[in-house]
Amino acid sequence: NAGVTQTPKFQVLKTGQSMTLQCAQDMNHNSMYWYRQDPGMGLRLIYYSASEGTTDKGEVPNGYNVSRLNKREFSLRLESAAPSQTSVYFCASSYRGAGDTQYFGPGTRLTVL
Amino acid sequence: RKEVEQDPGPFNVPEGATVAFNCTYSNSASQSFFWYRQDCRKEPKLLMSVYSSGNEDGRFTAQLNRASQYISLLIRDSKLSDSATYLCVVTDTGRRALTFGSGTRLQVQP
Repeated sequence: NAGVTQTPKFQVLKTGQSMTLQCAQDMNHNSMYWYRQDPGMGLRLIYYSASEGTTDKGEVPNGYNVSRLNKREFSLRLESAAPSQTSVYFCASSYRGAGDTQYFGPGTRLTVL
Repeated sequence: RKEVEQDPGPFNVPEGATVAFNCTYSNSASQSFFWYRQDCRKEPKLLMSVYSSGNEDGRFTAQLNRASQYISLLIRDSKLSDSATYLCVVTDTGRRALTFGSGTRLQVQP
């Protein structure tokens, strides 16, 4: 099992460009999450999907959109990147909800110039 | 006020030492509590869940005090491999998502 995979691992964008971060899990988990991690801030929840077909905003959703494509895949889209979105992005999944162990992908390091 | 507060450290301790980390949380409705470990430039991984009665996993002991909204992690006989950032994590109301503390960095020295 690969667990949680994310692509790309690194990305540099110019202000105003768009991109989609991909995430997939092969553990048959129902819930998936997108976090961002900034120095000194800890991980902050951007969006989550409690089950296939549902998505909800987290703490910092502005500037992002998500798609739960199927049970395995949960993508994060930046429509018009801004320097404030420079961060490390982690995708995670859990079997049922936040009370279960969350398994994280290796992260995407995004720089917006 | 942050929802989950931790001392950022770093805690520099010699091998074999006992070290304790504390964490406070503001949401009295939080239902589940965890410690995650994050190595430098890696993803977080679950270290252990924290139960009301306290729980132990080898050299690691976690305690929860709901009345004071306080969580602790004790590491005994520290190893070089324990060097990492330890994240205090609680669920939000309804257990839909996790709220992370900023982490406490531990450096175990030979």
